[in-house]
Amino acid sequence: QAVVTQEPSLTVSPGGTVTLTCASSTGAVTSGHHPYWVQQRPGQAPTSLIYDTINRHSWTRARFSGSLLGGKAALTLSGAQPEDEADYYCLLVYSGIWVFGGGTKLTVL
Amino acid sequence: EVQLAESGGGLVQPGGSRRLSCVASGFTFSDSWMHWVRQGPGKGLVWVSQINTDGTTTTYADSVKGRFTISRDNAKNTLYLQMNSLRAEDTAVYFCVRLLSEWGQGTLLTVSS
Repeated sequence: QAVVTQEPSLTVSPGGTVTLTCASSTGAVTSGHHPYWVQQRPGQAPTSLIYDTINRHSWTRARFSGSLLGGKAALTLSGAQPEDEADYYCLLVYSGIWVFGGGTKLTVL
Repeated sequence: EVQLAESGGGLVQPGGSRRLSCVASGFTFSDSWMHWVRQGPGKGLVWVSQINTDGTTTTYADSVKGRFTISRDNAKNTLYLQMNSLRAEDTAVYFCVRLLSEWGQGTLLTVSS
């Protein structure tokens, strides 16, 4: 089974910009992996932010954007807010089998 | 408003069985692919299984293949996860997820003697 790798932790200043990445053990991440990004605040159920690489849900704040960057899926947060402090997970599909990354703990400080 | 209400968690002995349910409302259940995702205590999210709209196509993570069975009853707007041969490492909160986009609050399953 493929392994999906994310940065274990990142820190961003309030109002700052940060990019989280998602790499695949099988090679470059492409749109065919249909990358998803999921946010989980402490003590809460997860919430999906991005689907199919770049698409925001109706509830996703515009400061979150998805892309492909250097062979990885990427989630960019522009203008970080204190409430963005959370764990972020990417999710990729491999022939019908979905695999989560280990998650990135984002600190806003 | 989409609502997904999981139930069926609790304490189960190793080797035992349990069926989780997820009652859906606020959308056309029969039009949606559904998933189960789990999260062990203090750990990350792990995708478990998915099922297509009419229940004819299912896929599983390697860690549960042959032990877990996903199914659905579109007449009852309900998703199921039948779990057999349970192990301690199956201890987790189990989330029902619509289209990998809308999540329930989860139900806790503890496998322990």
